[in-house]
Formats: sequence, C-alpha cells, structure tokens
Amino acid sequence: GENVEQHPSTLSVQEGDSAVIKCTYSDSASNYFPWYKQELGKRPQLIIDIRSNVGEKKDQRIAVTLNKTAKHFSLHITETQPEDSAVYFCAAGTYKYIFGTGTRLKVLA
Amino acid sequence: EPEVTQTPSHQVTQMGQEVILRCVPISNHLYFYWYRQILGQKVEFLVSFYNNEISEKSEIFDDQFSVERPDGSNFTLKIRSTKLEDSAMYFCASSAGTSNAQPQHFGDGTRLSIL
Repeated sequence: GENVEQHPSTLSVQEGDSAVIKCTYSDSASNYFPWYKQELGKRPQLIIDIRSNVGEKKDQRIAVTLNKTAKHFSLHITETQPEDSAVYFCAAGTYKYIFGTGTRLKVLA
Repeated sequence: EPEVTQTPSHQVTQMGQEVILRCVPISNHLYFYWYRQILGQKVEFLVSFYNNEISEKSEIFDDQFSVERPDGSNFTLKIRSTKLEDSAMYFCASSAGTSNAQPQHFGDGTRLSIL
C-alpha cells in the first residue's frame, strides 16, 4: 500500500547547526510533497512544499529537495533556532496526503 | 488570514454513542478532508470530499464513519457508534482549486476522548 517513511524519528542539534530530515515514498502517482511543523497540541502548519516538476525549493532558512526517480525528498533547516523545536512531518500525495511518521527536532541552546 | 475552524475543541463521549465533529473550511476552498492523529503518532488520512461527494477514503473510514456538507459552510464527520480506539485528535483540512497539487490548510483539531 501507500507508505511514507521518515528518518530520523528524533534529532537533536545545537543552535546554529543544520538539521536534515529525509523521507521516502512508495506511490509513484504522488506529485505534491508538503512539510508540516507541529508544536505540542497544535495543528500541523505548512512550512514549505514542493511539486514533482521541481527539484529544489528554498524559503529563507528552509529548503526542500526532491528526487522523483529515487522517490526521496528531504527537508533542510539551516542556522537552527530554539523555536524550530517541534515535530516535523513530511507528506506525499495528490488529493490526499500520506504522512510520514514524524521527526521530533530539538534545538539545544 | 482565513482559517479552518473546528468545533468542539474537546469532546468526551461514552463508548457506543454517536458523535459529530464540525468544521468550517476556508470559504473559497473546494476540497475538504478529515484526518486523525492518535496521541504521539502520525497523521492518518480518513476521507476526502469534493463536489458534494466522497472522492477517496481510507481503510479506517468504515461504515461507522460518514461525512456531510449540510449547508454552504459546514463540513461534518459523524462516528455512529464510537469505540475506545476512536480516541484521537481529528483534524479537518481544506484546499483550493481544481489542481491536485494544492496545499491543505488544517484546523486546530477536535480532541475526541471515548470513555
């Protein structure tokens, strides 16, 4: 069935360092790949997305890369700050999203 | 900025009872979704709704679940006879346009607790 794998499940970095989260999807029909940030008890918030006709997208400290051939996509956060601490979910899909299992990012001050 | 709104924020219900979760999607959006998230786990797709009918549903969305758009603004999820394992956070989402690559905007969720 459709599946999205996400690694790592937890990630601790020092403030100012970079963080990388990786996802792999199984459904070849997926053409849209959003990333959501979820703080404890709150809604998932879209932070960046990428479409299948694009290989890379950047928005300030956040970037996403997509390798459609390998069915891999990654989130890169540079110059991390304590407020980046949250759970990050990748997703893949078309009309519906299949979410990854989440990465708990902790940025240590 | 327009938001998806959900009510109630927390619903406590006895096992076997019916529950209705309510959502008001963003006004010009055409696609509506329900997802659930069991505590500490990932977000799981339940159902998508477009043009007044279900467009896709997951294995979780069995005969106990139904969705409805009773008027021009509300979108509801009904669970007919709740089970303990239905306890979760339920998120409504909506997206715009007819292209299938559109961002989905999530509401704050309804925390459903089944006793």
